[in-house]
Amino acid sequence: DTAVSQTPKYLVTQMGNDKSIKCEQNLGHDTMYWYKQDSKKFLKIMFSYNNKELIINETVPNRFSPKSPDKAHLNLHINSLELGDSAVYFCASSQVRTSGSYEQYFGPGTRLTVT
Amino acid sequence: KNQVEQSPQSLIILEGKNCTLQCNYTVSPFSNLRWYKQDTGRGPVSLTIMTFSENTKSNGRYTATLDADTKQSSLHITASQLSDSASYICVVTQRRAGGGSYIPTFGRGTSLIVHP
Repeated sequence: DTAVSQTPKYLVTQMGNDKSIKCEQNLGHDTMYWYKQDSKKFLKIMFSYNNKELIINETVPNRFSPKSPDKAHLNLHINSLELGDSAVYFCASSQVRTSGSYEQYFGPGTRLTVT
Repeated sequence: KNQVEQSPQSLIILEGKNCTLQCNYTVSPFSNLRWYKQDTGRGPVSLTIMTFSENTKSNGRYTATLDADTKQSSLHITASQLSDSASYICVVTQRRAGGGSYIPTFGRGTSLIVHP
């Protein structure tokens, strides 16, 4: 009964390849997110998405694209992988309230290594 | 520029002792401030959430404070346990202009090690 799940947990691939990371939440939340955590453990939001709006962090290269087949899933597709893409990627979900206060639940992370 | 600064960067304490972690921010307009605990190899887990009108929130041995005027927050851990060893991350969410969208800014975290 995992709340937010990601697959795969580990991904090792070569430069130039295209890969996807899958995320699913069973909490009924309306908003999902992708974060990147670099080697210095700094978390940075990449995207937030609900059925109305996609918010993109402008620093994210357009090689990264979120794809949401339905409300419970937000997959991350990465084209032409580069060495600098190596990091841990976290998916998260929340139910955003008008007050702006909301619990955000994170997945276990996917460690991507580009060689 | 929106920034969240945390101090200290790392902290080592003995089991049973108390400690306080600091968070200063420049995020505006302010929506809420959250503290997360991240164990090694795991995703962050929410400890507390505070909106503008709240100046303290507790979750067990964790107590967070917020001073929205000075844009400072602290996380106090009482009677530390070995399992408290983790990274503690302060996150300040901005209410985006035009409403309806919330942008979080993360601090770099404080790494806490609790020794027996």
